[in-house]
Amino acid sequence: AQSVTQLGSHVSVSEGALVLLRCNYSSSVPPYLFWYVQYPNQGLQLLLKYTSAATLVKGINGFEAEFKKSETSFHLTKPSAHMSDAAEYFCAVSNFGNEKLTFGTGTRLTIIP
Amino acid sequence: DTEVTQTPKHLVMGMTNKKSLKCEQHMGHRAMYWYKQKAKKPPELMFVYSYEKLSINESVPSRFSPECPNSSLLNLHLHALQPEDSALYLCASSRQGNYGYTFGSGTRLTVV
Repeated sequence: AQSVTQLGSHVSVSEGALVLLRCNYSSSVPPYLFWYVQYPNQGLQLLLKYTSAATLVKGINGFEAEFKKSETSFHLTKPSAHMSDAAEYFCAVSNFGNEKLTFGTGTRLTIIP
Repeated sequence: DTEVTQTPKHLVMGMTNKKSLKCEQHMGHRAMYWYKQKAKKPPELMFVYSYEKLSINESVPSRFSPECPNSSLLNLHLHALQPEDSALYLCASSRQGNYGYTFGSGTRLTVV
């Protein structure tokens, strides 16, 4: 069964510093991978998705992620953190033909002024 | 229209009440989902409707009853809930293929 593991339930970075949120997947077939963001008391918003096209995926709000098959990883990065990036981030996986999304446990990102 | 609209935003109900959550989308998506999210946890899938037919039921207790009246609407009927059912209930929709889901902002449910 497919799954994702997010290392670090809580990450703190200074404003203007690099943001790196880690996600590793486990899947027997090429997966589809997603990053979602959730602000307090809101639903989830799709940041970006990997669907077997380019391995470097650019998303909204300056975020990007790189699919590395050799490392089974899909880490999320942003060069310069902004206060508005403080939120919960979820990595998710699905397989071709199965649109059921499986979420990781989430990483809470805190931005230090 | 690129939104999923959920009503109500907040709901407080007693354990003997019957209530319904509503979800609406006008993006032409043919798959719709109900998720339950407890505090500080990821969303957990409850039900999947594909082309208005129930395709996945993740062993959800019968006190939760989904309904898909048409391709734009998804309801979740609630009856005899328990306090542990208090959570954020999220609706989502997607088009065919793995393009990701569009989520609503959720209904915050409190069972007293």
